[in-house]
Amino acid sequence: SQTIHQWPATLVQPVGSPLSLECTVEGTSNPNLYWYRQAAGRGLQLLFYSVGIGQISSEVPQNLSASRPQDRQFILSSKKLLLSDSGFYLCAWSVLTDTEAFFGQGTRLTVV
Amino acid sequence: GENVEQHPSTLSVQEGDSAVIKCTYSDSASNYFPWYKQELGKRPQLIIDIRSNVGEKKDQRIAVTLNKTAKHFSLHITETQPEDSAVYFCAAFNTDKLIFGTGTRLQVFP
Repeated sequence: SQTIHQWPATLVQPVGSPLSLECTVEGTSNPNLYWYRQAAGRGLQLLFYSVGIGQISSEVPQNLSASRPQDRQFILSSKKLLLSDSGFYLCAWSVLTDTEAFFGQGTRLTVV
Repeated sequence: GENVEQHPSTLSVQEGDSAVIKCTYSDSASNYFPWYKQELGKRPQLIIDIRSNVGEKKDQRIAVTLNKTAKHFSLHITETQPEDSAVYFCAAFNTDKLIFGTGTRLQVFP
């Protein structure tokens, strides 16, 4: 069966520090991969999505970037965090066609 | 690109009453419309979905309707229970990406 792993679960980082969040999927090949951010009490904002290795589409221009170095690995990064980067980050995957997206457990990031 | 609007942002109902959440989408090419439930501090989970070639789908107390002409779809929960309290998100799938609405916080009072 397919599973998605996202880590860490919580993270507290100072302003200006770098960020790396990792997400891996098991049990499927060539999934669509997504990064979403959820600010406190807000909706799910699509940040990046990927349909294949090295293929990244950005939805929101900001100081975050994403990479997909392997088929089932999706990484969210920042060189210098801002206070406004605080939030709940969720990785998700789906098969290539229009089907259910499965979410990771999420990473609660607090920038101080 | 696709834009999904969701109303209301909060909804309070008495246990046993019905709840309706409405969403509109902008891109007529969107073809898949899932609904997710997110409990506090947890990941969103799919509760029901509908495809563009279907007008209505029901699963026990939950139903979803889709009006392609008007580009809106709705979630209906009947006989609400306290455990239905959560944030509900609609979404539209369009060309490899899943766009979510802003969410509805549903509170069911005993």
